[in-house]
Amino acid sequence: SQKIEQNSEALNIQEGKTATLTCNYTNYSPAYLQWYRQDPGRGPVFLLLIRENEKEKRKERLKVTFDTTLKQSLFHVTASQPADSATYLCALDSGGYNKLIFGAGTRLAVHP
Amino acid sequence: ETGVTQTPRHLVMGMTNKKSLKCEQHLGHNAMYWYKQSAKKPLELMFVYNFKEQTENNSVPSRFSPECPNSSHLFLHLHTLQPEDSALYLCASSPPQSGGELFFGEGSRLTVL
Repeated sequence: SQKIEQNSEALNIQEGKTATLTCNYTNYSPAYLQWYRQDPGRGPVFLLLIRENEKEKRKERLKVTFDTTLKQSLFHVTASQPADSATYLCALDSGGYNKLIFGAGTRLAVHP
Repeated sequence: ETGVTQTPRHLVMGMTNKKSLKCEQHLGHNAMYWYKQSAKKPLELMFVYNFKEQTENNSVPSRFSPECPNSSHLFLHLHTLQPEDSALYLCASSPPQSGGELFFGEGSRLTVL
């Protein structure tokens, strides 16, 4: 069956460290993968998109990698700040036009 | 402000009520979506509309009835819901090209008593 897995346990890190979140998938061959941020009681907000022919994408302190052999994407937040605390969702193209499927998300907590 | 507005933000209804959720986008997008988000579960894609035509119905029970009168407006009509339908209902829009990011509204928190 098709699955998208993100670590369900919260990730707690110290301010200034790098946070690394994982997104694994099975039985998909996505053309692209996206990452979103969601704060409590709010809708998700788009952060980054990476295509299957790209290994790495960066935006300010964020970095995403995409390994289609391992079927895995890693999301890095460098020099983390308490304001980065949120739930981060990965989403991938499931093969249908504009049909984006989401993982359950990983909550990141950055402590001062 | 994402350009996608959902109303109401909170709704409490009994199982025999009929209510509607409304979504409006001012981004000029041609694709609109309904997602359901329950606690500790992934967002579940419910319906997709492209250029006002429904292109996806993800095995959603008939007690949920979508309506897309134009590219800027999307409704979700609710009737005879069950308590397990209580969730956050998120509307999103995207530009027509494949791979476009989704712009989400803030959601409508639904509680079914």
